[in-house]
Amino acid sequence: KQEVTQIPAALSVPEGENLVLNCSFTDSAIYNLQWFRQDPGKGLTSLLLIQSSQREQTSGRLNASLDKSSGRSTLYIAASQPGDSATYLCAVSYGNNRLAFGKGNQVVVIP
Amino acid sequence: EPEVTQTPSHQVTQMGQEVILRCVPISNHLYFYWYRQILGQKVEFLVSFYNNEISEKSEIFDDQFSVERPDGSNFTLKIRSTKLEDSAMYFCASSRRQGPSTDTQYFGPGTRLTVL
Repeated sequence: KQEVTQIPAALSVPEGENLVLNCSFTDSAIYNLQWFRQDPGKGLTSLLLIQSSQREQTSGRLNASLDKSSGRSTLYIAASQPGDSATYLCAVSYGNNRLAFGKGNQVVVIP
Repeated sequence: EPEVTQTPSHQVTQMGQEVILRCVPISNHLYFYWYRQILGQKVEFLVSFYNNEISEKSEIFDDQFSVERPDGSNFTLKIRSTKLEDSAMYFCASSRRQGPSTDTQYFGPGTRLTVL
């Protein structure tokens, strides 16, 4: 079974610090990996998609890296702001139609 | 920016009743999906749909569930006889294409289904 794990489950950081969120997956034969943001009671907003052939993707203050061989991805958020408070979900595609999700990293940025 | 929309935002129903959840995918997208998230748990894949037929379904998607694209814009999920354990947030998603380089899936805001 393809498992996606996100550690830590929850973290709080002071405003301005960099955030580092980790995602691991058991089956390294992925096609791509997506990072999403979810606000309480809301839908999922796609942040970044990394293809299996890529090692990283960047969008503004966000940078996501991918190490297929070790089954890991890391999302970096530079200079965190209170508006970054949310749950961040990692989801893996194995080339079929479904995304396999982790449980998320719940982030609180303290002003 | 185009987005996926879902109605209603919240549906309350009695156990055993039928519910239909509605979604309008992004207009030039060809692949459609339903996921659900039980409170406090992971987002789970239910079904994917392309070219007017199911392309993949999970073990959760049993005979109680069905999907339909009744016209050129709507995509629906029907639960025939709801159970308490069907209470969850249901998300619709769409993507432009599918294949080895899977395209980004864009999610709607969700429908919260409460079964009493």
